[in-house]
Amino acid sequence: NAGVTQTPKFQVLKTGQSMTLQCAQDMNHNSMYWYRQDPGMGLRLIYYSASEGTTDKGEVPNGYNVSRLNKREFSLRLESAAPSQTSVYFCASSEGPFNYGYTFGSGTRLTVV
Amino acid sequence: GESVGLHLPTLSVQEGDNSIINCAYSNSASDYFIWYKQESGKGPQFIIDIRSNMDKRQGQRVTVLLNKTVKHLSLQIAATQPGDSAVYFCAENMAGGKLIFGQGTELSVKP
Repeated sequence: NAGVTQTPKFQVLKTGQSMTLQCAQDMNHNSMYWYRQDPGMGLRLIYYSASEGTTDKGEVPNGYNVSRLNKREFSLRLESAAPSQTSVYFCASSEGPFNYGYTFGSGTRLTVV
Repeated sequence: GESVGLHLPTLSVQEGDNSIINCAYSNSASDYFIWYKQESGKGPQFIIDIRSNMDKRQGQRVTVLLNKTVKHLSLQIAATQPGDSAVYFCAENMAGGKLIFGQGTELSVKP
């Protein structure tokens, strides 16, 4: 099994451009999450989806939107990228919301210039 | 406010020694805690978890201790190996709420 797959692995955007980060899991997990990780900091929750059909804001949702396309897929969209969104983005999934160990993807390294 | 923090940002140990990584949390309502390991260029990997109704939990070469009185969490790694070199994060789940990650501690194992 692949676990959690994120695409792309690397991306460079110009300020104001838009893009969508893709995430898919093959573990039949109910809950999915998007985090960002900045140098010297822990992971901060952007958005999460406790179950198919629901999404909620995390700690740092501004500038982002999400879509839980189906049980497997959870995408993160940047409508108008800003340099402050330069970060490494991780998608994760778990059997249930917050009370189970997460499985993380390998990350997307995004640079906004 | 709620926060999860680590006492030491870096830890260097000799191969074969035991390692102890500490974490403080401030939300007494947190009911679930997890330790993650993150190697360079990879996503965090689940190591071990513990619920608030427990004081100690053991895995393979790892032990997590929870002291609710002082809101302290620790990860003990026995017989540390070079492959244990990574950044270790603790995370807390506030009851019914979000999973909050700490800053991380970088563990360096000297051969």
